[in-house]
Amino acid sequence: GAVVSQHPSRVICKSGTSVKIECRSLDFQATTMFWYRQFPKQSLMLMATSNEGSKATYEQGVEKDKFLINHASLTLSTLTVTSAHPEDSSFYICSARDLQRLRTDTQYFGPGTRLTVL
Amino acid sequence: EDKVVQSPLSLVVHEGDTVTLNCSYEVTNFRSLLWYKQEKKAPTFLFMLTSSGIEKKSGRLSSILDKKELFSILNITATQTGDSAIYLCAPSNDYKLSFGAGTTVTVRA
Repeated sequence: GAVVSQHPSRVICKSGTSVKIECRSLDFQATTMFWYRQFPKQSLMLMATSNEGSKATYEQGVEKDKFLINHASLTLSTLTVTSAHPEDSSFYICSARDLQRLRTDTQYFGPGTRLTVL
Repeated sequence: EDKVVQSPLSLVVHEGDTVTLNCSYEVTNFRSLLWYKQEKKAPTFLFMLTSSGIEKKSGRLSSILDKKELFSILNITATQTGDSAIYLCAPSNDYKLSFGAGTTVTVRA
């Protein structure tokens, strides 16, 4: 149980294009999903918190117009990196909290998406 | 600003050894502390600790939390090569997790 998928697992794009990453909870419903970014040999940095049916909450320093988040259903959140540049190249990971387990802080992570911007 | 410090940053052991990983934290509105194991891709959940002094165990792994001194330890006994990974500590405040830099454990056969 508690499986989270991400798609695509790897994407290479040209500078200036937009890239959409999907995060799905496969066997549970998630009111809240989180988007993280991880640089090589560094820890996970929270970018934003995505709540179903409402606007995402972005962490300080994260441009909301650059990283568009949509949480359209209880099982799907998307992150769109707009007008991507080489400095956006990174490992993006999503996580989700189980709606049925509101008392727990446990987040279940997707396998991540490796974005390379040329 | 929330702080999470893990030590050591890395260590190399041989199969059968015991390792102890440390995590100290300063987090406002602390609720719980989570440990994750990250191999090549996504972190996988190990433990969630909410109460001081109560050890949680799962096979060869165990963990304990000290809310007064603001730290937690993760022990791995009889290590195996499959334990090689980055171990992440993440205290939670309300709904957000703050991750430490992780401890890279390498277990040599």
